[in-house]
Amino acid sequence: DTGVSQNPRHKITKRGQNVTFRCDPISEHNRLYWYRQTLGQGPEFLTYFQNEAQLEKSRLLSDRFSAERPKGSFSTLEIQRTEQGDSAMYLCASSFNSPGNTIYFGEGSWLTVV
Amino acid sequence: GQQVMQIPQYQHVQEGEDFTTYCNSSTTLSNIQWYKQRPGGHPVFLIQLVKSGEVKKQKRLTFQFGEAKKNSSLHITATQTTDVGTYFCAGPEGSARQLTFGSGTQLTVLP
Repeated sequence: DTGVSQNPRHKITKRGQNVTFRCDPISEHNRLYWYRQTLGQGPEFLTYFQNEAQLEKSRLLSDRFSAERPKGSFSTLEIQRTEQGDSAMYLCASSFNSPGNTIYFGEGSWLTVV
Repeated sequence: GQQVMQIPQYQHVQEGEDFTTYCNSSTTLSNIQWYKQRPGGHPVFLIQLVKSGEVKKQKRLTFQFGEAKKNSSLHITATQTTDVGTYFCAGPEGSARQLTFGSGTQLTVLP
């Protein structure tokens, strides 16, 4: 399968702990995105990379959130000192660097903070 | 910031009935995209519309982009149980590198 791959798929953590999610995009894609989705809502944009450069960050991305894409391939999203409000599905997506901007989502990483 | 609204939030139909979801943006869009998310799944790209007044068809699905490029609709003819899921529209915001999604229309098809 050459789609966008995310892991872990599910994570349950205690409030205050740190968690990290990994995303492996489609290999030919140089754009990578992180979105967050809660039940009953559409995905909300968090951040965007072009190759290894993080070019945009949403106001939703508090200081506890950090994302990296060190070699322009896979990416990690770390949440420090998790809060119950962080419980959501974290979606990674990738696309070509084209005006059409069609993005392909991974299966998501579900986070539950207890 | 840009807002994208969808109605209805939920729709239950009998198999074989038609279904339509509507999407409205607070700003003019350069393009609009539609995604489908099955229960427990992730959003899957369906189509992109770019031109004012554009209409595209995919089998039983018909997508329209409004003349003012601020609204769009998705119509499904003769729904099937495989159509079950949430349908999202999304439009590019700002630099167009990020998409703003609507809150989706959750479709249930009763056999």
